[in-house]
Amino acid sequence: GAGVSQSPRYKVAKRGQDVALRCDPISGHVSLFWYQQALGQGPEFLTYFQNEAQLDKSGLPSDRFFAERPEGSVSTLKIQRTQQEDSAVYLCASSSSSGQETQYFGPGTRLLVL
Amino acid sequence: TQLLEQSPQFLSIQEGENLTVYCNSSSVFSSLQWYRQEPGEGPVLLVTVVTGGEVKKLKRLTFQFGDARKDSSLHITAAQPGDTGLYLCAAALYSGGGADGLTFGKGTHLIIQP
Repeated sequence: GAGVSQSPRYKVAKRGQDVALRCDPISGHVSLFWYQQALGQGPEFLTYFQNEAQLDKSGLPSDRFFAERPEGSVSTLKIQRTQQEDSAVYLCASSSSSGQETQYFGPGTRLLVL
Repeated sequence: TQLLEQSPQFLSIQEGENLTVYCNSSSVFSSLQWYRQEPGEGPVLLVTVVTGGEVKKLKRLTFQFGDARKDSSLHITAAQPGDTGLYLCAAALYSGGGADGLTFGKGTHLIIQP
């Protein structure tokens, strides 16, 4: 079966531009997570959805970052007025329930802000 | 402050050698996970350890959870070039039992030279 997919795989943006990153979780997965991975570092948690409800957004670094999952499946992470420090790989993960289940990661979107 | 400290950060060894990487924390965890990440891909779960003192084996990989559930180690026997990758340890951000974002260590970059 299909795993978690993310698009685009690569995105180059000029400083100040808005970007939208898409995540298609595994079909039927209840939980969806976004992480940010800087070069040479481990992923850092950004936000978590259970179905369409955003239950934890404590990791979002600023109010320029916004995530949504309006129908409880596909999710979009939006970054407004991008800055160079936003350059990173953005990973999406999903899990099958609302418990401590295995998280399955997508390949990530590599964002470069010039 | 990094909740999970991994060491070494980089390791390059010859094929056939043994190695151990470590994941340490001052916090107690209900469980701890090990992931492997290859370039351009998301992390893939290798194992979850739950019980203090637990040892799990996955072919040539041996994972151990410390008695106090604050630390873990990954030992690879007779390393092969296919073991090359970034090894990450991770734990749930909270311990409430529901779905959680994960906190990751910075990872160990492992290179096995033929």
